[in-house]
Amino acid sequence: QSALTQPASVSGSPGQSITISCTGTSSDVGGYKYVSWYQQHPGKAPKLMIYEVSNRPSGISNRFSGSKSGNTASLTISGLQPEDEADYYCSSYTSSSTLVFGTGTKVTVL
Amino acid sequence: EVQLVESGGNLVQPGGSLRLSCAASGFTFSSYWMSWVRQAPGKGLEWVANIKDDGSETYYVDSVKGRFTISRDNAKNSLYLQMSSLRAEDTALYYCARERTRYLYWGQGTLVTVSS
Repeated sequence: QSALTQPASVSGSPGQSITISCTGTSSDVGGYKYVSWYQQHPGKAPKLMIYEVSNRPSGISNRFSGSKSGNTASLTISGLQPEDEADYYCSSYTSSSTLVFGTGTKVTVL
Repeated sequence: EVQLVESGGNLVQPGGSLRLSCAASGFTFSSYWMSWVRQAPGKGLEWVANIKDDGSETYYVDSVKGRFTISRDNAKNSLYLQMSSLRAEDTALYYCARERTRYLYWGQGTLVTVSS
């Protein structure tokens, strides 16, 4: 049950696009469509941004998109805005019927 | 409106026990898997455990197996986490969350501190 691997930090200027990767194995990310992405601002509970690899919950901006290739999932934020500055976590269902989160990525808007 | 309200967090000595509760409202509690997720101070999210809608299946992260027990009372719309043999590394904000693979709804968390 090792955490999924994410870059520690990613930065971009307002209006730019950034992509956060989430690397696992064939026993988690690569084996299931149940990959989700969460945004967390300091002192707040996480917020679901993407579920089942590429689906957005109601109310989430279409600037957020998700994809997966092999054992790596990705979250892309286009048209970066100051309010996007936060921590982002991926998660995946696993072959052990458990869930595993990623190590987390701090997004900085320059 | 869906609401999840955790309680029961406290300061406890290493080796001690604690029971967390999560009161659910605004949805049919008995129809959903429920989960516990924790976050140590300044650290990332860690999935802890989940339980099927009828309580017939439970799963745990390896680090808490044999020490933590997740349970639910559908008549009371409540989720529980019984924690025993607590260690310093269990210190965290504990969230309850609705569902099994995607967490649209979270509580505000309850803080567990394990320290002598």
